[in-house]
Amino acid sequence: GAGVSQSPSNKVTEKGKDVELRCDPISGHTALYWYRQSLGQGLEFLIYFQGNSAPDKSGLPSDRFSAERTGGSVSTLTIQRTQQEDSAVYLCASSLSGSTETQYFGPGTRLLVL
Amino acid sequence: GDSVTQMEGPVTLSEEAFLTINCTYTATGYPSLFWYVQYPGEGLQLLLKATKADDKGSNKGFEATYRKETTSFHLEKGSVQVSDSAVYFCALRISAAGNKLTFGGGTRVLVKP
Repeated sequence: GAGVSQSPSNKVTEKGKDVELRCDPISGHTALYWYRQSLGQGLEFLIYFQGNSAPDKSGLPSDRFSAERTGGSVSTLTIQRTQQEDSAVYLCASSLSGSTETQYFGPGTRLLVL
Repeated sequence: GDSVTQMEGPVTLSEEAFLTINCTYTATGYPSLFWYVQYPGEGLQLLLKATKADDKGSNKGFEATYRKETTSFHLEKGSVQVSDSAVYFCALRISAAGNKLTFGGGTRVLVKP
């Protein structure tokens, strides 16, 4: 079946603008994760969803970052008032459940803030 | 907090050489350990995993053994191929800590023919 998909694949925006990044997890996967991959910080966890709730938001770097998940499926990561340091590849992953070991990653959205 | 340290790259090898990538971890609980691989232009893929001490994960000729006494999970392959050129990430997960993966910094491996 289809893997995790993310859109857009690339996004260029101006500093101060808001952006929305989308993740479609594997069908039937109840757990969804957002990570960020940047040159300076490596791969960092942002937020974890189990169903529509987010029991772990500990990785969100500031209140400019938010995420939601609706219908237990698609998730949107929103970055408000983007800054240049937000430039990174944003990765989404899903797993069958929160207790399942294997997370499957999407191809990522490459965000460049000018 | 929990952390993963892996050797910095790049690691450059000739085909058929032996590869070792060191990985050590610090964890407050009892982690599961993973190696993920990112081939050029592709997304992260799980390479292998081990969930308890002395377990050995293996896949595609790669192996790693969960060593609790040395808090290590070193990745090895006996004979690398050009197609093994990629970035390798060591990671841990503690189910009591929200299921997130904590990654090392990644090691770029370049295999030359």
